[in-house]
Amino acid sequence: AQRVTQPEKLLSVFKGAPVELKCNYSYSGSPELFWYVQYSRQRLQLLLRHISRESIKGFTADLNKGETSFHLKKPFAQEEDSAMYYCALRGSQGNLIFGKGTKLSVKP
Amino acid sequence: DTAVSQTPKYLVTQMGNDKSIKCEQNLGHDTMYWYKQDSKKFLKIMFSYNNKELIINETVPNRFSPKSPDKAHLNLHINSLELGDSAVYFCASSQGWGRNTGELFFGEGSRLTVL
Repeated sequence: AQRVTQPEKLLSVFKGAPVELKCNYSYSGSPELFWYVQYSRQRLQLLLRHISRESIKGFTADLNKGETSFHLKKPFAQEEDSAMYYCALRGSQGNLIFGKGTKLSVKP
Repeated sequence: DTAVSQTPKYLVTQMGNDKSIKCEQNLGHDTMYWYKQDSKKFLKIMFSYNNKELIINETVPNRFSPKSPDKAHLNLHINSLELGDSAVYFCASSQGWGRNTGELFFGEGSRLTVL
């Protein structure tokens, strides 16, 4: 089965605190994983993908095949990081299979 | 200038009506998608077309009929609208499909409210 699990519906932190948004996946084969972000009432945007191993807006994510995880991390959260974050897995037909999303709220 | 554009952005209609949402992309991509985002913000694939051919049809009621007149357009027609159809519908596009699929680019969404 191809599945993405984001266990937290809502994550609330204070500005400057570290953030970790959890993502676990189920996929037989070599997975391709992404994080997408949706700011309030805007389109989804690609934040990062595991194959590029980059850091965008201070966020990083490492693919851990042993734990089948792709958690998103940022050492110091900013208020402008408040948004919905979706972890996504590339399906066998190329479409993205999304987790249910985690709403990140960064308080001042 | 917009890469993936959808119209209308907002649609309010009565149960039983028929409505369409249009999507156009100017990225030169050959694959387009429709996703549904429900009230709990859950995103689910509905359809995918590659070069005007249907490649994904995810257990969607046949009241929903996608149409791709060319690679740059994928429209969604919904017959006999029901309350449960209220959602935000996102169009997306990418180059390639299967394991060769590139990044998906999303439109701004079309918020459908059925009364």
